[in-house]
Amino acid sequence: AQSVTQLDSHVSVSEGTPVLLRCNYSSSYSPSLFWYVQHPNKGLQLLLKYTSAATLVKGINGFEAEFKKSETSFHLTKPSAHMSDAAEYFCVVSDQAGGSYIPTFGRGTSLIVHP
Amino acid sequence: NAGVTQTPKFQVLKTGQSMTLQCAQDMNHEYMSWYRQDPGMGLRLIHYSVGAGITDQGEVPNGYNVSRSTTEDFPLRLLSAAPSQTSVYFCASSPSGGDNNEQFFGPGTRLTVL
Repeated sequence: AQSVTQLDSHVSVSEGTPVLLRCNYSSSYSPSLFWYVQHPNKGLQLLLKYTSAATLVKGINGFEAEFKKSETSFHLTKPSAHMSDAAEYFCVVSDQAGGSYIPTFGRGTSLIVHP
Repeated sequence: NAGVTQTPKFQVLKTGQSMTLQCAQDMNHEYMSWYRQDPGMGLRLIHYSVGAGITDQGEVPNGYNVSRSTTEDFPLRLLSAAPSQTSVYFCASSPSGGDNNEQFFGPGTRLTVL
């Protein structure tokens, strides 16, 4: 069975400093991994996805994530935080267990950006 | 292109009442799904559909019914509302149920059951 763990429920950074949101996963197959962002009172939007191509994945708004199979991690990073990055971030794993792709969401990390 | 739309945006029910949450997409996507979002729990899959006429249960299906008579619409029915169903509900769609498909989410329905 697949699972995903977001290691921090809250991350607080100052504007202009780097962002690191941590995600570990478990999967019996070759998984696909996603990061979604949810701004307050909005639906979710895809930031980036990994699907067994390049291990370093670039997404929108300057975010990127690196797939590390040996560490079963897919951490999300950004070199310099903006106030507009304040939001909830979800790591998602999806594999073909049981013959269908049913994604599993992490519990979310709330990113707080201080001026 | 409206994407994924959900109605209503807000709803208050009394225990035991029934209602239907509407979801529609205009992208001709085969795969549609319903999630509920509760604080600290992430999103949990309620039901999903891989095409018209085909539905299946997700992680938390109890108390909910779905049907998929057309590609565009995927309504979620609460049969007898309970306070435990107070949540924010999201509908999502993707081109297929494949592993690398991005899901497109609606804006959500905030449901309170008294």
